[in-house]
Amino acid sequence: SQQGEEDPQALSIQEGENATMNCSYKTSINNLQWYRQNSGRGLVHLILIRSNEREKHSGRLRVTLDTSKKSSSLLITASRAADTASYFCATDKSGGSNYKLTFGKGTLLTVNP
Amino acid sequence: GAVVSQHPSRVICKSGTSVKIECRSLDFQATTMFWYRQFPKKSLMLMATSNEGSKATYEQGVEKDKFLINHASLTLSTLTVTSAHPEDSSFYICSARGLVDEQFFGPGTRLTVL
Repeated sequence: SQQGEEDPQALSIQEGENATMNCSYKTSINNLQWYRQNSGRGLVHLILIRSNEREKHSGRLRVTLDTSKKSSSLLITASRAADTASYFCATDKSGGSNYKLTFGKGTLLTVNP
Repeated sequence: GAVVSQHPSRVICKSGTSVKIECRSLDFQATTMFWYRQFPKKSLMLMATSNEGSKATYEQGVEKDKFLINHASLTLSTLTVTSAHPEDSSFYICSARGLVDEQFFGPGTRLTVL
């Protein structure tokens, strides 16, 4: 089953608007991480939120986690053209001896100037 | 955040040759490194988990003899694509796990096999 599915798959907004991306997952997790990827580049770590946390902020980013609904959201406020990128959530499943992240399919965000 | 480097950033090779990609954690020691493959406009697919001083753990469907992984030190892991073929052309990304569960990614290597 797919762990970490982002919604929407693509989002196009105007500069200055807020962008909200959602991520759903299926199994219990230790933590959930959000990453940004510019086209053809590596991933940039944005925020890690643990299973016992509900909300976290970093600059213009706000991440929420609802473990009862197995979902997370990433809010980018006052978006800029430079925020244009793909955004992925990744989950670290709880239990088991092997740590590994499972990535969703990503949301392609386009911020129009 | 921590810095992970990859080398080379881009490589073009002929079919049948082997290609080695290096992944280094520059400012921290990484006991665990990961290798991913990414197809255009797709998500990352984990290929293998590499632990320093031990054999890599490969994901189902990934050929061990095709993709050789070595993690000789706490700051260096290498992926060798042996006898590369055009279908091996892809974007390969490594990552290293820090002390507090965050995972930091390298800039990726674009492999093109002619």
